[in-house]
Amino acid sequence: GQQVMQIPQYQHVQEGEDFTTYCNSSTTLSNIQWYKQRPGGHPVFLIQLVKSGEVKKQKRLTFQFGEAKKNSSLHITATQTTDVGTYFCAESQGAQKLVFGQGTRLTINP
Amino acid sequence: GAVVSQHPSWVICKSGTSVKIECRSLDFQATTMFWYRQFPKQSLMLMATSNEGSKATYEQGVEKDKFLINHASLTLSTLTVTSAHPEDSSFYICSTKPRGTFAGELFFGEGSRLTVL
Repeated sequence: GQQVMQIPQYQHVQEGEDFTTYCNSSTTLSNIQWYKQRPGGHPVFLIQLVKSGEVKKQKRLTFQFGEAKKNSSLHITATQTTDVGTYFCAESQGAQKLVFGQGTRLTINP
Repeated sequence: GAVVSQHPSWVICKSGTSVKIECRSLDFQATTMFWYRQFPKQSLMLMATSNEGSKATYEQGVEKDKFLINHASLTLSTLTVTSAHPEDSSFYICSTKPRGTFAGELFFGEGSRLTVL
């Protein structure tokens, strides 16, 4: 089945620096969802993007869906220690099935 | 908001024993539940789709006789790891969404961390 490739696998930043994770697909995505998983926790839904070129913001988080609907990004401005965790992109396949990217683990030096 | 409860949170068992994990939707009905497995520092891999009142659909490479799934009601799905071995040690997570919804977020249980000695 189709897979979404996510990079980078790991990212370590100083608190206050920005962070970006990218998801790419070789085929057109019907939609893209983003989840955050804190260490030891379960994934928590952040947002869903559906439209070509869509940009959504949640405070310091900016989510983008590419014009061709083959890529997406999550950008965090001025990271804080509470941003630590693994960020996953995921595509809905079929009615409800989610296929996850490999995830980007974000660690922050306070 | 919607809540999915998973039990137990963690379990340690001896090799060869069976372990049952429960996933409950607390405030909505769920005709479909998904079971994921996550090894340390890896992504979530879908194991199977649990359908209320019918047989589960397993992903390629997942042994249906080893990972038994039962979805007997609209609020409960169970995953039984039969004859568990150390390589089955992992984080098992269920997820679902309210009955009748199509797009949008999945709600995840808290996960069950299985350690097989």
